[in-house]
Amino acid sequence: ELKVEQNPLFLSMQEGKNYTIYCNYSTTSDRLYWYRQDPGKSLESLFVLLSNGAVKQEGRLMASLDTKARLSTLHITAAVHDLSATYFCAVDNNEANQGGKLIFGQGTELSVKP
Amino acid sequence: EAGVAQSPRYKIIEKRQSVAFWCNPISGHATLYWYQQILGQGPKLLIQFQNNGVVDDSQLPKDRFSAERLKGVDSTLKIQPAKLEDSAVYLCASSWGAISYEQYFGPGTRLTVT
Repeated sequence: ELKVEQNPLFLSMQEGKNYTIYCNYSTTSDRLYWYRQDPGKSLESLFVLLSNGAVKQEGRLMASLDTKARLSTLHITAAVHDLSATYFCAVDNNEANQGGKLIFGQGTELSVKP
Repeated sequence: EAGVAQSPRYKIIEKRQSVAFWCNPISGHATLYWYQQILGQGPKLLIQFQNNGVVDDSQLPKDRFSAERLKGVDSTLKIQPAKLEDSAVYLCASSWGAISYEQYFGPGTRLTVT
């Protein structure tokens, strides 16, 4: 059974600092997604990583995927208050006939303070 | 492009009552998903449709939950009878296909069972 673990679960950062959120998963998959969720809101897609070594960047966020290590990272550069939200990684189950079944991590609640 | 629509946005019911949620996916999206997100957790897939056929309902509590997607477009999710532990946000998502396609989430329906 595919398990997805994120750490840390809670992250309090100062503005201007850098930090990394880690997403580990337990079985083979080469499709990983990062989502952002603001309080009381739905999920907003941030990155879609579809191959080993994939790296994508948008603004102050950069995501990477290492399928051999079964690890994805979401790196935050020079954090600003607007990045405060909960971030989820999700891994495609990748089993036959189950493409598209996403298994989500527990989420990382990020708070950026001045 | 219009996003995934869901209604109602909020619902409060007493235990043992029934409730239904509605979802209209993005036009042209063949795959539709229903997720349950309990407070403080990541979303959990309940059921996946490909057009109007069920691809995966392994985590749907079939003794009380049912879902249908008539004509391969709109979908409804029903709970009858509701239990306290069903209190959650129910998210609908859609994608062009299943494998390697990004899922777009609706605003969700927040259900409170008292």
